[in-house]
Amino acid sequence: EVQLLESGGGLVQPGGSLRLSCTASGFTFSSYAMSWVRQTPGKGLEWVSAISGNGGSTYYADSVKGRFTISRDKSKNTLYLQINSLRAEDTAVYFCARDYSNNWPRGLDYWGQGTLVTVSS
Amino acid sequence: DIQMTQSPSSLSTSVGDRVTITCQASQDIGNHLNWYQQKPGKAPKFLIYDASNLETGVPSRFSGSGSGTDFTFTISSLQPEDIATYYCQQYDNLPITFGQGTRLEIK
Repeated sequence: EVQLLESGGGLVQPGGSLRLSCTASGFTFSSYAMSWVRQTPGKGLEWVSAISGNGGSTYYADSVKGRFTISRDKSKNTLYLQINSLRAEDTAVYFCARDYSNNWPRGLDYWGQGTLVTVSS
Repeated sequence: DIQMTQSPSSLSTSVGDRVTITCQASQDIGNHLNWYQQKPGKAPKFLIYDASNLETGVPSRFSGSGSGTDFTFTISSLQPEDIATYYCQQYDNLPITFGQGTRLEIK
């Protein structure tokens, strides 16, 4: 059974940093691209970033480019999102999701339960 | 960025109704479109890929069609467990973008 479990969310002040983690199980982690998608409370879905199966290619939304860094550790079956210079508008539930592609982001067939990031002073 | 516009934004329906949601892309995306279902407090669930292909395990009352800029998602006979918000998503170009969602409500 495919499972994705996010952690690392919390309350952080504007300008602060967090590292989100997503531990994967039930599939060959390196065979799939992975994405982070966020959802503002009561609002829609915003794709944030993706990384290819081998970690060699990364992709970012313009709204986070230069502040967020996606990475993955094959030995730990874990996906990461380092988020720096946090702003109030980054407040959201962050989901990690498996892509059914190995490289180019296409569709997200499994999702974690999400972790809440709140940016507030 | 490719804008995805869904309509309606919300829909009041009854069990057994045929439900149709449309999704329009701001440019030609071929069949590079997926559909998701999201229930309150839960993660989205992958339903349909490449505009018309049903993900394994998804009931056959769900279907999708379209290509280019205009797409349709249909529930042939609404069941109580289908009450949720539905999103379309394009992957023709980065950034991946989602429609704003269509919320189904029971009359």
